[in-house]
Amino acid sequence: QVQLQESGPGLVKPSETLSLTCSVPSDSINAYSWTWIRQTAGKGLEWIGRVYGSVLADYNPSLKSRVTMSVDTSESQVSLKLTSVTAADTGMYYCGRDANSWTGYVKYWGQGTLVTVSA
Amino acid sequence: EIVLTQSPDTLSLSPGERAALSCRSSQSVRSSSLAWYQQKPGQGPRLLIFDVSSRATGIPERFSGSGSGTDFTLTINTLEAEDFAVYFCQQYGTSPRTFGGGTKVEIK
Repeated sequence: QVQLQESGPGLVKPSETLSLTCSVPSDSINAYSWTWIRQTAGKGLEWIGRVYGSVLADYNPSLKSRVTMSVDTSESQVSLKLTSVTAADTGMYYCGRDANSWTGYVKYWGQGTLVTVSA
Repeated sequence: EIVLTQSPDTLSLSPGERAALSCRSSQSVRSSSLAWYQQKPGQGPRLLIFDVSSRATGIPERFSGSGSGTDFTLTINTLEAEDFAVYFCQQYGTSPRTFGGGTKVEIK
């Protein structure tokens, strides 16, 4: 079983930037693509995007103007930044490891981290 | 984007019964790129089925997937206590990947 652990502030103020990291196994960080998904009351499960090393970053068009994902090999972390957050961004955020680098289903999921956007 | 519609919203069944969950797509799903996940309260989803009908590692044989084009089904034969959960379908053939709204399988 692959262990993934999301971390970051549980509370973010409106208009600020949400920053999350996902700790992943160091021996696989460059071998797979990594996906961020959120679960909100308004939209259910929503695919945010996925990243594969420095080769690929594919974002949901609905969030693309606000999202950046990156891979930090030295820290064995995958990160998510979402700018200009509003209450609609409140939800559970999951990172996941895809089955490989070219297919888009999530084989392993983290436990998720709850993010609340509120002043 | 492709919209996935799951039905029913809730399925009330008894242990030992068979469950059939539907997932319909607004467009044909490319390359059989459809997956099913199970989610229990307080947990992240777990992959059950990928490529329409392939079981993920460690998933019991009572779970099976079928379908093509725009109509897909997850069947759970002989429901066991641990199967009562919420199930989601996902298409990953076209970006953005999208999920269905979920079907809750509850104990009758």
